[in-house]
Amino acid sequence: ELKVEQNPLFLSMQEGKNYTIYCNYSTTSDRLYWYRQDPGKSLESLFVLLSNGAVKQEGRLMASLDTKARLSTLHITAAVHDLSATYFCAGNQAGTALIFGKGTTLSVSS
Amino acid sequence: NAGVMQNPRHLVRRRGQEARLRCSPMKGHSHVYWYRQLPEEGLKFMVYLQKENIIDESGMPKERFSAEFPKEGPSILRIQQVVRGDSAAYFCASSPMNTEAFFGQGTRLTVV
Repeated sequence: ELKVEQNPLFLSMQEGKNYTIYCNYSTTSDRLYWYRQDPGKSLESLFVLLSNGAVKQEGRLMASLDTKARLSTLHITAAVHDLSATYFCAGNQAGTALIFGKGTTLSVSS
Repeated sequence: NAGVMQNPRHLVRRRGQEARLRCSPMKGHSHVYWYRQLPEEGLKFMVYLQKENIIDESGMPKERFSAEFPKEGPSILRIQQVVRGDSAAYFCASSPMNTEAFFGQGTRLTVV
């Protein structure tokens, strides 16, 4: 059974600094996903990582996947207030639903 | 192409009543997933359905909860005899294959 763990669960960031969120998963996952959720809102898909070594970037966010270490990271470059939200990683095995981590709540202050 | 549509957005039920949550997947999507989210918590998988079939219901409580995805019409998550502990946000997601899932806006159920 796939288990997904994120850390940290809360991250207080200063504007302009860099941070990393870690996502470990327990067993083989076909794909690794990152989602963003604003308070009271739905989940927005950010990245889908398909294979070992995959790296995707969108604005100040960059996600990477190391399948050998069963680890994905979400790197935030020069944090800005707009990035304040909760970020979830999720994985799945063929034929199964996405399993989510508990989420990392980011708060950016100036 | 409309996104995943859930209704109602907010639902208030008294203890013991039934709650019916509806989810219309994106056009062309035949895979539907239901998740429950409690305040300050992550998403807990409940059930995975394809048209007329339940693929995985391992996350669904054995009693009072049921789900269906008929050949025609939306997917329905049904909670019978609701209790206060059922209060949560229920999210539906859909995908064209068992891949990236797109989420609806959620139904926030309050049991009073």
